[in-house]
Amino acid sequence: DAGVIQSPRHEVTEMGQEVTLRCKPISGHDYLFWYRQTMMRGLELLIYFNNNVPIDDSGMPEDRFSAKMPNASFSTLKIQPSEPRDSAVYFCASSFSAHTSYGYTFGSGTRLTVV
Amino acid sequence: AQKVTQAQTEISVVEKEDVTLDCVYETRDTTYYLFWYKQPPSGELVFLIRRNSFDEQNEISGRYSWNFQKSTSSFNFTITASQVVDSAVYFCALIRSDTGRRALTFGSGTRLQVQP
Repeated sequence: DAGVIQSPRHEVTEMGQEVTLRCKPISGHDYLFWYRQTMMRGLELLIYFNNNVPIDDSGMPEDRFSAKMPNASFSTLKIQPSEPRDSAVYFCASSFSAHTSYGYTFGSGTRLTVV
Repeated sequence: AQKVTQAQTEISVVEKEDVTLDCVYETRDTTYYLFWYKQPPSGELVFLIRRNSFDEQNEISGRYSWNFQKSTSSFNFTITASQVVDSAVYFCALIRSDTGRRALTFGSGTRLQVQP
């Protein structure tokens, strides 16, 4: 299995631009999570999906952030417009409900820099 | 609400020393799982161990060992004879095992620096 695949690995964009982060979960996994990691706030959950349906988006910072999961094999996290304080590493993770006890498999992350 | 506390922000040791990373958690659930993840300088999150709340047996895997004490809500991680390659940020995390919220709650992490 290829694991959780995130793209791009690095993204540098100018303030005000739209940014789209992509994630392909492990085939067969029915949960997908988006986390953000910053020095100040550590690893924080942004949103998670179950069977492509958003379950908890309480961690999404503000309306500038949106996430979609149009099918079981693809999810996007979009920031529009981006701001310098959005600079962080964004991780996607997936898991299989019957094996929640096994935790998640994380992607390699997308390092976003907004200048 | 769930909470995971890693009070040690950064630890520095010399190679071959033993080191213990502390983790204290809070949860109202009776059934839950605890985890440790490692984040090396390359940035990925690597799963190390999971522990069921009903299983208080300590576990040893090579130079790594984990001490789970439900009475003190702690799940500490010890590295014996540390090596430079152990240098990383280590995260403790918690998840409910029932049908409730499925998201992992992470501690703030402990940065371990092992000096040669």
